[in-house]
Amino acid sequence: GESVGLHLPTLSVQEGDNSIINCAYSNSASDYFIWYKQESGKGPQFIIDIRSNMDKRQGQRVTVLLNKTVKHLSLQIAATQPGDSAVYFCAERTHGYGQNFVFGPGTRLSVLP
Amino acid sequence: DVKVTQSSRYLVKRTGEKVFLECVQDMDHENMFWYRQDPGLGLRLIYFSYDVKMKEKGDIPEGYSVSREKKERFSLILESASTNQTSMYLCASSLGGTNQPQHFGDGTRLSIL
Repeated sequence: GESVGLHLPTLSVQEGDNSIINCAYSNSASDYFIWYKQESGKGPQFIIDIRSNMDKRQGQRVTVLLNKTVKHLSLQIAATQPGDSAVYFCAERTHGYGQNFVFGPGTRLSVLP
Repeated sequence: DVKVTQSSRYLVKRTGEKVFLECVQDMDHENMFWYRQDPGLGLRLIYFSYDVKMKEKGDIPEGYSVSREKKERFSLILESASTNQTSMYLCASSLGGTNQPQHFGDGTRLSIL
């Protein structure tokens, strides 16, 4: 399949373990954040979002944490499965910039059997 | 589910050709976007549109134009293709209003020879 990024940070985890993927965002005025998953040869897929008035949001097997003090976002995946192997990247929307997002470079998650 | 369809998965064109990339969404979304994705650079916004016949330049509009004659369709045009436009092109759409996630197509991998 196609490679999204040749020199991305890589996180390798054992199947069944929890994964934590981190993202540092750039603008303290950003007020809406999204995590995307991109599998090889496919477009980015929406996973979960969070608004800046929240610190935590949970979905199915995923949790996003937002620390506005240090401008840090994390995605936690519980009981990581082989199908979770992909590139994950965050996106931030800055207030006043309409619906335009700034996307992070991504982290490649590899799930080991 | 939101469906964003890009007309071609792979496309090979020659330098100087005029190239059309087509994108259609079926969820009546107001906003549509064109990005290119290159290794190490992440997603970069080329053009976007918040309404029919409306377009706005993104971060890297040079060498590109767009057309939005109908709400569901957003076309990206390379006026005179050059080798530095070889890339993965991603189309996205979102609802109007604030804090709406963008939903992506599976991309067109364009090679300019």
